[in-house]
Parts: sequence; C-alpha cells; structure tokens
Amino acid sequence: AQKITQTQPGMFVQEKEAVTLDCTYDTSDPSYGLFWYKQPSSGEMIFLIYQGSYDQQNATEGRYSLNFQKARKSANLVISASQLGDSAMYFCAMREAKTGANSKLTFGKGITLSVRP
Amino acid sequence: GAGVSQSPRYKVAKRGQDVALRCDPISGHVSLFWYQQALGQGPEFLTYFQNEAQLDKSGLPSDRFFAERPEGSVSTLKIQRTQQEDSAVYLCASSFLPGQNNSPLHFGNGTRLTVT
Repeated sequence: AQKITQTQPGMFVQEKEAVTLDCTYDTSDPSYGLFWYKQPSSGEMIFLIYQGSYDQQNATEGRYSLNFQKARKSANLVISASQLGDSAMYFCAMREAKTGANSKLTFGKGITLSVRP
Repeated sequence: GAGVSQSPRYKVAKRGQDVALRCDPISGHVSLFWYQQALGQGPEFLTYFQNEAQLDKSGLPSDRFFAERPEGSVSTLKIQRTQQEDSAVYLCASSFLPGQNNSPLHFGNGTRLTVT
C-alpha cells in the first residue's frame, strides 16, 4: 500500500486566493512526522512545514498551514494569499519513528500547483 | 555555500558508461541520503549514511549502484554500466539529527542524469 497518497490532478488557483493541497498517509506507527516540500521548475526541494503526530495544534509557517486530521490520516497543506511564485510541485512526505536511526522520508507523487494572475 | 552542493548539475552518459555523482552536505550534518526522482514523480529513497556508515541501502535498484561516504562528509553515488532506465534526477539530502522526527531533510539541487 502507498504510504503517502496525493491524488489531486493539477491544481489551479487565482492569485491572492487560498488553496488546499491534499495528502493522506498510511502508517501503524504511533509516532511519525509529516512534511511538505515545494519543488519549483528549477528543481530544488524546499522544506515548507512540519507536523508531528503528537502535536496538539495544527502547524503554521507564514502563509502555510497544515490541516492535520489524525483520525482520517490526512495532512492537507493550505496556502493562503497565493502568489505567482507559489507555482510549483508540492510533495507530502512522512517519517516513521520505527525507521529508527534511518530517518528517511517517504514521499508522495506530488501535486502541480499553478497560480493564475 | 551553506547548502547541500551536488555536482555535476547535468550529466549525459552513453549506455554502458560508468558515472559518479558527488554530494557535499551541510557542514556538521550527520545524516546523508540519496534519492532518485523520475520525471513527474516523487523522490524515491536509495540509501542512507550516518557519518561514514551506510546504514540502509535497501533502495538501491541493482548492484550497479554503489554509494560511499568514506570520511563522513562528502558522498559519491556511482552507477556502473548505465542503462536508459537510470535516467533521472539524483537528489542528495542531509540532516543534522538522525532519528529525530522533526528534523527536515535539506536537499541539493540534484544531478540530472540522461543515459543515451
């Protein structure tokens, strides 16, 4: 089974509007971390936001917030006040504590976001 | 610079050639990862180092792939007898604290390998 599922087709949003990018995950580990990365066309992977499985509150970082619904195993990224520079691929990723010292991240297939002027 | 540095940025190899991809992680970062990213897909884990020890190589697709980090800093990913299916972007990432849930990976810009 896929550990990280991102099934939305390419997403479009009008500049200055908010957009939600969906991510569901699958793990039996009670301790895990969820990450979102942005990958512009230039190729670099940019870390955006982190949510821990035991965190009581949804994570926020500037215009980025995470809608974390633990029972549903979803961790959707919300981008507020979209900007043209937000056009990129967005990846959801998970780290499970059971991986121990190997703290690798498992990534989803990504979602393409296009911001329209 | 302060970030993860990868070289070369682009590599074109003829099928059957050997290639070596270099990664210079952020200074002081204990953990180093190699990922393979096919076009339009998410990164797929290849291998992991903690200092000079290769603790996980379960993602390496074949014995043609070999990685090393002899002094616990710079790492090299070597692909022998390249095949067309090896064409991808190879991403290197490092992090400071192994085993910490909230420690993000810091990625380099990747090496785009094209096998003709």
